[in-house]
Amino acid sequence: DQQVKQNSPSLSVQEGRISILNCDYTNSMFDYFLWYKKYPAEGPTFLISISSIKDKNEDGRFTVFLNKSAKHLSLHIVPSQPGDSAVYFCAASRPSFTGKLIFGQGTTLQVKP
Amino acid sequence: EAGVTQFPSHSVIEKGQTVTLRCDPISGHDNLYWYRRVMGKEIKFLLHFVKESKQDESGMPNNRFLAERTGGTYSTLKVQPAELEDSGVYFCASSRWGQLDTEAFFGQGTRLTVV
Repeated sequence: DQQVKQNSPSLSVQEGRISILNCDYTNSMFDYFLWYKKYPAEGPTFLISISSIKDKNEDGRFTVFLNKSAKHLSLHIVPSQPGDSAVYFCAASRPSFTGKLIFGQGTTLQVKP
Repeated sequence: EAGVTQFPSHSVIEKGQTVTLRCDPISGHDNLYWYRRVMGKEIKFLLHFVKESKQDESGMPNNRFLAERTGGTYSTLKVQPAELEDSGVYFCASSRWGQLDTEAFFGQGTRLTVV
């Protein structure tokens, strides 16, 4: 039973436009959410996170939105750049519990010049 | 500061053989996690060490997998005997203890292929 789902395996956008990556979760006990970016042959690198007490967190070109009632979060990248092309993983956690991460399947983002 | 390092980066072994993966976490990080990604699917949790103690090993697939972290520093993950379905990329991650906003740092992974 997959608790974190990224239903779009891939996304292609034009450089300079907005990229929106979506993620749904089923476990209402999750209280911390993260996005990781992964390039080929590298490990995932932390991008941005959000606590369940917030509905938005912004860091430069990256913004994460959390809709707890819908159990949905999204990552917005504005403006998108070719260097953003990577696999993006959504992850959920209960830091107060163990800190382990539950990942989605990943979405491959391609930003075209 | 050195990041999380994993050895080897690639391993190809035959079914039935034994393989040992190693992870060196960031110095001072008490938390150490093992994850696995199979066939481009989600990254799945395997187990979690706090220093040398196993905090959570609920994700370990079966008793062919053995993880150790002697002395609370580096960790090893042994697969014995390896099966075809064990193929995948094994990631190690580490983080500091006690900070709720801490994010885990991942190694580059070990790609294991069982033939």
